[in-house]
Amino acid sequence: GENVEQHPSTLSVQEGDSAVIKCTYSDSASNYFPWYKQELGKRPQLIIDIRSNVGEKKDQRIAVTLNKTAKHFSLHITETQPEDSAVYFCAATYNFNKFYFGSGTKLNVKP
Amino acid sequence: EADIYQTPRYLVIGTGKKITLECSQTMGHDKMYWYQQDPGMELHLIHYSYGVNSTEKGDLSSESTVSRIRTEHFPLTLESARPSHTSQYLCASGAAGRNSPLHFGNGTRLTVT
Repeated sequence: GENVEQHPSTLSVQEGDSAVIKCTYSDSASNYFPWYKQELGKRPQLIIDIRSNVGEKKDQRIAVTLNKTAKHFSLHITETQPEDSAVYFCAATYNFNKFYFGSGTKLNVKP
Repeated sequence: EADIYQTPRYLVIGTGKKITLECSQTMGHDKMYWYQQDPGMELHLIHYSYGVNSTEKGDLSSESTVSRIRTEHFPLTLESARPSHTSQYLCASGAAGRNSPLHFGNGTRLTVT
């Protein structure tokens, strides 16, 4: 089955700096990669996703890049704000039935 | 409003008790999932269902069972709760077909004493 690895496990940045979280996957058949943000005590929320026919997708301060050859994808957050502090999870799927999640990255944005 | 509803939100129960965690969705989704998560930690898939009368075990054996008699309802039952079951349980759902991410409920925080 698919195996998704996520790094780093914790990330601390100064407000206004950029943050990058990286994930690698093992199954070349995976074709959909969502990112979820989970604030303390709340449910995971989808923040951005990318399909395998696209190399990059951007939504305001958030962007995701995908390298199919290397089998890795990354979340980029620019101009970080304290409200970006949360745990971020990447995931991969090839059939939209089983989703394989990374182990999570705790992002701390220091004011 | 279409959403996924989990009850109870918090539950404290003694060892050996039988409990059922409820999950209902009004999103019209066919696929439903149960994940176990210690706060802020990795998500572990414990059960999933692709439709009525369809249930599968996930990667984590949690000594629990599920049923899917109605599309919108996917309860999780622990026959005999143990302290090792203390965790957060998240229910999720997804639409059939392509291009559908998972949507999560607010979770049930279970403590077994």
